[in-house]
Amino acid sequence: SYVLTQPPSVSVAPGQTARITCGGNNIGSKSVHWYQQKPGQAPVLVVYDDSDRPSGIPERFSGSNSGNTATLTISRVEAGDEADYYCQVWDSSSDWVFGGGTKLTVL
Amino acid sequence: EVQLLESGGGLVQPGGSLRLSCAASGFTFSSYAMSWVRQAPGKGLEWVSAISGSGGSTYYADSVKGRFTISRDNSKNTLYLQMNSLRAEDTAVYYCAKARGYCSSTSCHWAAAFDIWGQGTMVTVSS
Repeated sequence: SYVLTQPPSVSVAPGQTARITCGGNNIGSKSVHWYQQKPGQAPVLVVYDDSDRPSGIPERFSGSNSGNTATLTISRVEAGDEADYYCQVWDSSSDWVFGGGTKLTVL
Repeated sequence: EVQLLESGGGLVQPGGSLRLSCAASGFTFSSYAMSWVRQAPGKGLEWVSAISGSGGSTYYADSVKGRFTISRDNSKNTLYLQMNSLRAEDTAVYYCAKARGYCSSTSCHWAAAFDIWGQGTMVTVSS
């Protein structure tokens, strides 16, 4: 089965840049999507197809994907960005797969 | 406004059954694949099941295969998840989610992201 690996936690000071990684075997060949989930709320799509943003998502959110690692980058981090972030792909053998999630803490 | 609204959650004994519903509005329901995704308390997201726009193709996670059945009624813009032989490990918030990609008459863009999520419904399996 296909496995996505995320760091459990990332911490960053306000105004700095946060980078959350998502590792998977040859993940660069897949479309990676990222979701933000705040406590008690449903997930929200923040980046799709590696690097595209849905309407309403700030330009501070960006994504990249190459080789065995995809990355969600949040520039000029704000207190309101504190949340859990999940990467997700579709794999022909494993169907829909989520990473374990990364808790972003804004110091 | 595009919206998904789940219902049907609750407390059920191990071995029992429950049917979840997800009412969709604001988009052409039959044109999009739909999925159920669950989240156990304090845990991450787990995909459970998916269905094509027409309902002709269905997919299940190994953890629920043979026990859960996904279906849809496009005339009612409603997605369902019939859950049988429930276990304690099925305890979770269940979300329905719309796939961003469009389904043609023959196939769906399965790699598409989940762009719209419902608010979730809690299922607790306990005696």
